[in-house]
Amino acid sequence: QVQLQESGPGLVKPSGTLSLTCAVSGGSISSNWWAWVRQPPHKGLEWIGEIHHTGTTNYNPSLNSRVTISVDKSKNQLSLKLSFVTAADTAVYYCARSVQQQLDYWGQGTLVTVSP
Amino acid sequence: DIQMTQSPSSLSTSVGDRVTITCQASQDINKYLNWYQQKPGKAPKLLIYDASNLDTGVPSRFRGSGSGTDFTLTITSLQSEDIATYFCQQFDNLPYSFGQGTKLEIK
Repeated sequence: QVQLQESGPGLVKPSGTLSLTCAVSGGSISSNWWAWVRQPPHKGLEWIGEIHHTGTTNYNPSLNSRVTISVDKSKNQLSLKLSFVTAADTAVYYCARSVQQQLDYWGQGTLVTVSP
Repeated sequence: DIQMTQSPSSLSTSVGDRVTITCQASQDINKYLNWYQQKPGKAPKLLIYDASNLDTGVPSRFRGSGSGTDFTLTITSLQSEDIATYFCQQFDNLPYSFGQGTKLEIK
């Protein structure tokens, strides 16, 4: 059973960089695509981007210049960095496995609040 | 970007009801559509992929249909455990986008 666990600071200052990791267990990150999705409080889902284990990435153009997704095969984890954050980036951030563009396994999510 | 519009945004229902949720894409997405169920405080869960295929373990009372721009999620006989918010997602074109969600509530 594949399991994903997000971790990182729950509070980031405006104009700072949001950094999260997603540890994958029960399966290898060296297969499939892996995605990040976020959900502002009481709002809908936003696809942030995805990465293939080879390093190929696709990003949402609305965040393109600020977002970086990477994989660390040695640690079996993926990472998300979002720079120059504002209050609008406050959200629950999820990582998920993407198989044929189906997000079939998700982490439990981690709330990141952008505040001074 | 492809816009996904769900209706209704919320629905007051009763156990045993037949529930229909629609999702409309701003352009033809063939059958490249998934449905997810999200319960409060939990991550979304994949229900249906490729518009009409049930994910493993999903009860048969859930049905997906449609192609092109118009899609439907039907719950044939609502159970209490189905109370949740449902999202559609297109994956025909990047960026993959979600509908705004349909929240089911009990009358």
